[in-house]
Amino acid sequence: GENVEQHPSTLSVQEGDSAVIKCTYSDSASNYFPWYKQELGKRPQLIIDIRSNVGEKKDQRIAVTLNKTAKHFSLHITETQPEDSAVYFCAAGGSYIPTFGRGTSLIVHP
Amino acid sequence: DTGVSQDPRHKITKRGQNVTFRCDPISEHNRLYWYRQTLGQGPEFLTYFQNEAQLEKSRLLSDRFSAERPKGSFSTLEIQRTEQGDSAMYLCASSLTERDTQYFGPGTRLTVL
Repeated sequence: GENVEQHPSTLSVQEGDSAVIKCTYSDSASNYFPWYKQELGKRPQLIIDIRSNVGEKKDQRIAVTLNKTAKHFSLHITETQPEDSAVYFCAAGGSYIPTFGRGTSLIVHP
Repeated sequence: DTGVSQDPRHKITKRGQNVTFRCDPISEHNRLYWYRQTLGQGPEFLTYFQNEAQLEKSRLLSDRFSAERPKGSFSTLEIQRTEQGDSAMYLCASSLTERDTQYFGPGTRLTVL
């Protein structure tokens, strides 16, 4: 089955800095890569996703890149704000049933 | 509220008891998923439905777990003879089709004493 590794487990940045979270996956058949944000005590919410026919996708301050050859994908958040503080999960899968990484706790200091 | 809802939000039970959780997906969403999340981990896939048909089950879903979606709308997840290791957050998600975004519910937190 699919195995997703996510790094770092914790990321601390100053407000206004950029944050990068990286994930690798094992199954070359995976074709769907969503990213979820989960605030403490709340449900995971999709923030951006990318499919295998695209190498990069951007939505305002958030961007995701995908390298299918190397089997890795990354989340980039620019101009971070305190409200970006949360746990971020990457996921990878085929048939749109994703395997999730263990999460990155992002802390943005004002 | 037109989002995914789950009931109850919290459940405390004694080991050996049976528990049942309910999930109401977003209206007209054909796909419904169940996940389990433990502290410090991402959601782990348990099973999913396409309308009323249960199409896939993870090996995490032991014989003590059963899920139904009898009319293709709400779904129930039952755990029989609960064990302490079943303590977790049980999340439900739904999507319009297989290619669409999965929207998660608030989860049911199960504590087995």
